[in-house]
Amino acid sequence: NAGVTQTPKFRILKIGQSMTLQCTQDMNHNYMYWYRQDPGMGLKLIYYSVGAGITDKGEVPNGYNVSRSTTEDFPLRLELAAPSQTSVYFCASSFTRTGVDHEQFFGPGTRLTVL
Amino acid sequence: GQNIDQPTEMTATEGAIVQINCTYQTSGFNGLFWYQQHAGEAPTFLSYNVLDGLEEKGRFSSFLSRSKGYSYLLLKELQMKDSASYLCAVRDTGGFKTIFGAGTRLFVKA
Repeated sequence: NAGVTQTPKFRILKIGQSMTLQCTQDMNHNYMYWYRQDPGMGLKLIYYSVGAGITDKGEVPNGYNVSRSTTEDFPLRLELAAPSQTSVYFCASSFTRTGVDHEQFFGPGTRLTVL
Repeated sequence: GQNIDQPTEMTATEGAIVQINCTYQTSGFNGLFWYQQHAGEAPTFLSYNVLDGLEEKGRFSSFLSRSKGYSYLLLKELQMKDSASYLCAVRDTGGFKTIFGAGTRLFVKA
């Protein structure tokens, strides 16, 4: 298993540009998440999904959009990039069902700089 | 509100024992996780507590007291490779969200 994969690893955007961060998992996990991590800070949840076709906002969703058309893929879209979106973005997945929780598996991250 | 507190940095000596504390205030509780994150890398899972008490896993142990909103991660026989950030995270009951603390940077010196 490849686990959770993310592309690209690095990206520099100009203010106002748009891009999509890709995330794929091959563990058949139902839950998927997008986090951002600013230097010296913890992870902030942007969006999450409990299954294909179902997404919901996390703590910091403004400026981002997601979709989940398949179990495997959970892309994150940045529209009109701003310097405040400079961060490291982590995608994660977990197998979760009512009353039972499991750890999250994280992808390697995408380092995004907006200039 | 939701709040998780951990010390920002700790330093310990190779071969010693170190305890990293975490206190939390969340609207709901459905488990507490500890993750390890080396610089420039993704977090990896260390431990999970949902009931009060101690969970032991090799050199790592994690303790939970739900009534006190308190957990600690105990690392024994420290090795240089244990130098990393340790993230405390609480699973909320509503919406299945996980709230992460800012992490504790542990420096292991020879």
